[in-house]
Amino acid sequence: EVQLVQSGAEVKKPGESLKISCQGSGYSFTRYWIGWVRQMPGKGLEWMAIIYPGDSDTRYSPSFQGQVSISADKSITTAYLQWSSLKASDTAMYYCVRRGMDILTGVFDYWGQGTLVTVSS
Amino acid sequence: SYVLTQPPSVSVAPGKTARITCGGNNIGSKSLHWYQQKPGQAPVLVIYYDSDRPSGIPERYSGSNSGNTATLTISRVEAGDEADYYCQVWDTTSDHYIFGTGTKVTVL
Repeated sequence: EVQLVQSGAEVKKPGESLKISCQGSGYSFTRYWIGWVRQMPGKGLEWMAIIYPGDSDTRYSPSFQGQVSISADKSITTAYLQWSSLKASDTAMYYCVRRGMDILTGVFDYWGQGTLVTVSS
Repeated sequence: SYVLTQPPSVSVAPGKTARITCGGNNIGSKSLHWYQQKPGQAPVLVIYYDSDRPSGIPERYSGSNSGNTATLTISRVEAGDEADYYCQVWDTTSDHYIFGTGTKVTVL
């Protein structure tokens, strides 16, 4: 069974750093792209970034380029999303997603349970 | 950048048919996916490749995609179908993933 299990909720202050995680299991971790999707309170879904754990190739949405960093450790089948300096506007639910194998379609076939990040002074 | 537009809300009576549209420039040339998100839950894939259903998704859910509009159709609507629905494509030109604006389906 494919599973994406994310780290727990975080409460941080503006300016602090943060790294959240997503561990994949039940499939070949290095052969599927894995990404992150943001959902701000009461708002829609926004794709942020994606990584291919096999060779660490990455893509970023222009909206998030330079604001976050995506990485993966294939030895422990875990992907990460990292901030160096959080802002209050980073308060949101963050979902990790697995991209399906078909290279032509870009479907997100599995989702993690979400990690709630709250940034407040 | 590529934009996907959905109606903010759709209301439907139980047992009737709900149709949710997703508009985009020449969207029929792209592979279109739909996700259902119930309150407090992570999204779930309900339609992929325009009209295919993942295992476990009822046959009441169907999809189509042509021209500038894709449609998610929910037949014989039940109270449990009440959720937010998002369309999504992969824009191969930019190598970016685009979500629609989302539609809240209310069962009357």
